[in-house]
Amino acid sequence: NSKVIQTPRYLVKGQGQKAKMRCIPEKGHPVVFWYQQNKNNEFKFLINFQNQEVLQQIDMTEKRFSAECPSNSPCSLEIQSSEAGDSALYLCASSLFGGEIAETLYFGSGTRLTVL
Amino acid sequence: SQLAEENSWALSVHEGESVTVNCSYKTSITALQWYRQKSGKGPAQLILIRSNEREKRNGRLRATLDTSSQSSSLSITATRCEDTAVYFCATGNTGKLIFGLGTTLQVQP
Repeated sequence: NSKVIQTPRYLVKGQGQKAKMRCIPEKGHPVVFWYQQNKNNEFKFLINFQNQEVLQQIDMTEKRFSAECPSNSPCSLEIQSSEAGDSALYLCASSLFGGEIAETLYFGSGTRLTVL
Repeated sequence: SQLAEENSWALSVHEGESVTVNCSYKTSITALQWYRQKSGKGPAQLILIRSNEREKRNGRLRATLDTSSQSSSLSITATRCEDTAVYFCATGNTGKLIFGLGTTLQVQP
């Protein structure tokens, strides 16, 4: 069973508001991923970290989305100005391995963001 | 279009029956993974099958991989109500997993 902890479970924001969610990866996992899953079950990769450094991120993430994984603190994903289209399940996952070949991901239960 | 795609949107079986979910992918891969996502939860990996493997088992689950046809299957035998979930195949050679759109499996009593 995954031990990735995501908080909060649900988040409701108005358009234009900030939305922040947190993730504690499995102990000993240096690689952290954030995915967005929409109501049609489509996964969109947002960003990943190895320790505190960004490995990859999509263009969208650079504009309104910011994320960090500080040492000895939970990782976080923040949307600066929420839009209705950001309503989705945000999934955090951690992995033992980075590198080119995608290895097993351990997911949290997600933060369900609703933007009114 | 998706890097990996399941071939059915939804399947329904009765408890005890067997079911197979199929997946096709578009590029050469080093490994393919199967995940299951139950309602209200994040995905959980079921099986990781590498390109040099043709079959892998995990209890009632059996995954196959055919690199010549770029396809994989996940079979579940003796299904139970708790197997009700969305099943995803996923693969990736660039440091991140790309997921298919999922097959919803409903196991009825």
